[in-house]
Amino acid sequence: GAVVSQHPSWVICKSGTSVKIECRSLDFQATTMFWYRQFPKQSLMLMATSNEGSKATYEQGVEKDKFLINHASLTLSTLTVTSAHPEDSSFYICSARRGGGPAGNTIYFGEGSWLTVV
Amino acid sequence: DAKTTQPPSMDCAEGRAANLPCNHSTISGNEYVYWYRQIHSQGPQYIIHGLKNNETNEMASLIITEDRKSSTLILPHATLRDTAVYYCIVRGGTNAGKSTFGDGTTLTVKP
Repeated sequence: GAVVSQHPSWVICKSGTSVKIECRSLDFQATTMFWYRQFPKQSLMLMATSNEGSKATYEQGVEKDKFLINHASLTLSTLTVTSAHPEDSSFYICSARRGGGPAGNTIYFGEGSWLTVV
Repeated sequence: DAKTTQPPSMDCAEGRAANLPCNHSTISGNEYVYWYRQIHSQGPQYIIHGLKNNETNEMASLIITEDRKSSTLILPHATLRDTAVYYCIVRGGTNAGKSTFGDGTTLTVKP
């Protein structure tokens, strides 16, 4: 089946630094990818929609200058958390949409990436 | 995307069927019902989806009411490894791909 891979699985960074998380669709091309954030014991919250070759669309309340999204190819989207602070520590999950119609299971989730800012 | 309502938690005995309900009364005609589950510290795992007919695969069965306002996910023989948070999502139309997650149901399978 379709696979979406995230890297790194977990990362620890110092406060004030930037960290990049990659999301790759391994066996299909994804024109659209989605980034979610999940705090402990909470549900997934959509942060932004990543569109190949164009700017990402951010959900209300998500700072686009802090969470930089680049979707440079049909198989790779990156999320960069800039000037990270401890409150950015979270589980970040991406999903990728396999091309096709709007219906059917065309959405595949990555394994998630744990970010800890110290 | 239509909102969904699920009970916050359920218990099930190992080997018995687990029936997880979901209400999606505002679902629109072109939206599908999807079920995912999330085991601690992992990404969501796809289980099953359907439009209006009941569906079955190797993991589960999905029963959708005739008015499509609710559905039930059935795990026929729950195992301890089925302990997870189960999310019911409706998705389709112009926002296809964007998934709005509710709080889900925490299913605990007990020996």
